[in-house]
Amino acid sequence: QQQVKQSPQSLIVQKGGISIINCAYENTAFDYFPWYQQFPGKGPALLIAIRPDVSEKKEGRFTISFNKSAKQFSLHIMDSQPGDSATYFCAAKGRGSTLGRLYFGRGTQLTVWP
Amino acid sequence: DGGITQSPKYLFRKEGQNVTLSCEQNLNHDAMYWYRQDPGQGLRLIYYSQIVNDFQKGDIAEGYSVSREKKESFPLTVTSAQKNPTAFYLCASSIQNSHLEQFFGPGTRLTVL
Repeated sequence: QQQVKQSPQSLIVQKGGISIINCAYENTAFDYFPWYQQFPGKGPALLIAIRPDVSEKKEGRFTISFNKSAKQFSLHIMDSQPGDSATYFCAAKGRGSTLGRLYFGRGTQLTVWP
Repeated sequence: DGGITQSPKYLFRKEGQNVTLSCEQNLNHDAMYWYRQDPGQGLRLIYYSQIVNDFQKGDIAEGYSVSREKKESFPLTVTSAQKNPTAFYLCASSIQNSHLEQFFGPGTRLTVL
C-alpha cells in the first residue's frame, strides 16, 4: 500500500513558469513532510520540509503548501529554471517503530525548457 | 569531507551470483538505510539499522541481507534469491532514526546479466 501518493509522474514547464507537484497521504500520524531533489545519477538531497502545524513554508523559489484537513501537501517552484530539472520526491514520516521512517512518493520528473 | 560513499558506481553480475554493495559514512551517524530505486517506483526501503549490530527489514527485504558490524559501514548483499535485482541502490544515513534529515550516497547501479 502506497503511504504517500504523488502526482504528476512527469511535468514539463517553460522557463520562468510555476511548477506544482502534489502529494497526498492517509495516515494522520505523520508529522514531518520533506521534499527531496534528485539529479540524474546522483542521490537525493533534502530540498525543503514542513511540519503540520504550519500551512506554508517558503525557501527562496521553493514553497511547500500544506492542507492538514485534506491530508495533502504540494511543492511550488516559482520562476522555474532549467537547473531545476530533476526528479522530486515527497515523503512523510511519523514516530515509533512502524512510522518512524520515511515513506516516499513515486517521484515527479520535472523538465524546465529554456 | 564528510559524507557517504558507495562503491562501485556500476556493478555487473551474472544471474545466480551473490553481490555485495558497499556503503561507508564518516558523518558519525547512528542510523543507516538501504533503498532501491526503479523507474516510476520511488524509493523503496530494503533494510535499516538504528545502531551497530542491529537492523530491521524494510518493505522489500526478501532476497537481500545486511550487516552492521561497525558504525560507519552498512554493506548490502543482493542474493541469488532476489528475483529482479537490476536496479539503482541508494544508501543513506541520519544522526538517529528519529532525526529528520537523511543524507544519501551517490548510489550503485547494479545490472544482472
